[in-house]
Amino acid sequence: AQSVAQPEDQVNVAEGNPLTVKCTYSVSGNPYLFWYVQYPNRGLQFLLKYITGDNLVKGSYGFEAEFNKSQTSFHLKKPSALVSDSALYFCAVRDVSNTDKLIFGTGTRLQVFP
Amino acid sequence: GAGVSQSPSNKVTEKGKDVELRCDPISGHTALYWYRQSLGQGLEFLIYFQGNSAPDKSGLPSDRFSAERTGGSVSTLTIQRTQQEDSAVYFCASSFNRLNTEAFFGQGTRLTVV
Repeated sequence: AQSVAQPEDQVNVAEGNPLTVKCTYSVSGNPYLFWYVQYPNRGLQFLLKYITGDNLVKGSYGFEAEFNKSQTSFHLKKPSALVSDSALYFCAVRDVSNTDKLIFGTGTRLQVFP
Repeated sequence: GAGVSQSPSNKVTEKGKDVELRCDPISGHTALYWYRQSLGQGLEFLIYFQGNSAPDKSGLPSDRFSAERTGGSVSTLTIQRTQQEDSAVYFCASSFNRLNTEAFFGQGTRLTVV
């Protein structure tokens, strides 16, 4: 079965520093990968996706993600963190071995300190 | 509408009662998902409607849970004989029926079983 893993429950970073939120995937075939953000008491918002092509994907709010096939990773990055980036981040993958549904990781809470 | 709409936004019910949660997807989206998020937890897949194909019900936690999608649009998630462990935020999402498309989420229904 397809799956994604987010090994960190929480990531802490100082404002202005670069941030990385990790995601690894396990798929058969080509991966379709997504990042979402959830602010408190809100639904999930789409950030970016990797389908094919350039390994560096740029998305909303200055976020980007790097697809690495050899390491089966799709880490979310931002060069300079803002306090307002503090939220819950989810990695997701299409379950192409079954019904193509979206499967989410367990989430990583990002805390950016002033 | 402009986005995925869910109703009610909050629901408090007594243990043992039945509840219905409603989702209005984005117009034209043929794929529709239900997830739930317990307090402080990740997203748990419940059910996936994919166009005219049979729904993927593999995530429904018990036979007390059911969902339908009428006319390929509005969906209702029904929980019979609610239990306290059913308390969670229930999210609906919709997308075009293609692998490379992201899903758009509603704001969720917060269900509290007392």
